[in-house]
Amino acid sequence: DAGVTQSPTHLIKTRGQQVTLRCSPKSGHDTVSWYQQALGQGPQFIFQYYEEEERQRGNFPDRFSGHQFPNYSSELNVNALLLGDSALYLCASRRTSGANVLTFGAGSRLTVL
Amino acid sequence: AQKITQTQPGMFVQEKEAVTLDCTYDTSDPSYGLFWYKQPSSGEMIFLIYQGSYDQQNATEGRYSLNFQKARKSANLVISASQLGDSAMYFCAMREVQFTGNQFYFGTGTSLTVIP
Repeated sequence: DAGVTQSPTHLIKTRGQQVTLRCSPKSGHDTVSWYQQALGQGPQFIFQYYEEEERQRGNFPDRFSGHQFPNYSSELNVNALLLGDSALYLCASRRTSGANVLTFGAGSRLTVL
Repeated sequence: AQKITQTQPGMFVQEKEAVTLDCTYDTSDPSYGLFWYKQPSSGEMIFLIYQGSYDQQNATEGRYSLNFQKARKSANLVISASQLGDSAMYFCAMREVQFTGNQFYFGTGTSLTVIP
């Protein structure tokens, strides 16, 4: 049973560029959340998608946007990259009608130069 | 105010000994969940244990137990019989069911090192 898969695992961008990160949720899960984890910090909530709509958003600017597809997979897009966007981006999924527990992927490590 | 506070940046424990990782939380939501996750150097957050605010008994999962003291707003993780593979970052997290629904709040983590 595959867990949450994310791609790419590592990437390097320059300031001002745009990036797209991808996530496939665990089989049977229909809700996807994205978290940003800066070095030495705990994960911070970016937003959550359910039924292809953004349902909740954390304190992140509009440069951060996302999408959920009919197969429940999701993308995180970040525009106009800043040096401070360098972080590990974690995708997490869960079954809306099931347990509370989030299942996380291994993350995409973004470096902005 | 911080929703989750972990005051131990780093901890050391001898192999086969027990260790307690501290976590305090702040919420006025009567319905909330508390979680502990382990993050090895690979980056993936691994779920360890869950405690609901209405649960009367402390949660246990194998070698992990959660010492839930509701009045003190603490949710400490106890790892018994530590193993070398337990060396990792440990994060305490909370979900406020009514107030913020889907958002999980994480602490800054505790780095645990198990010494042979």
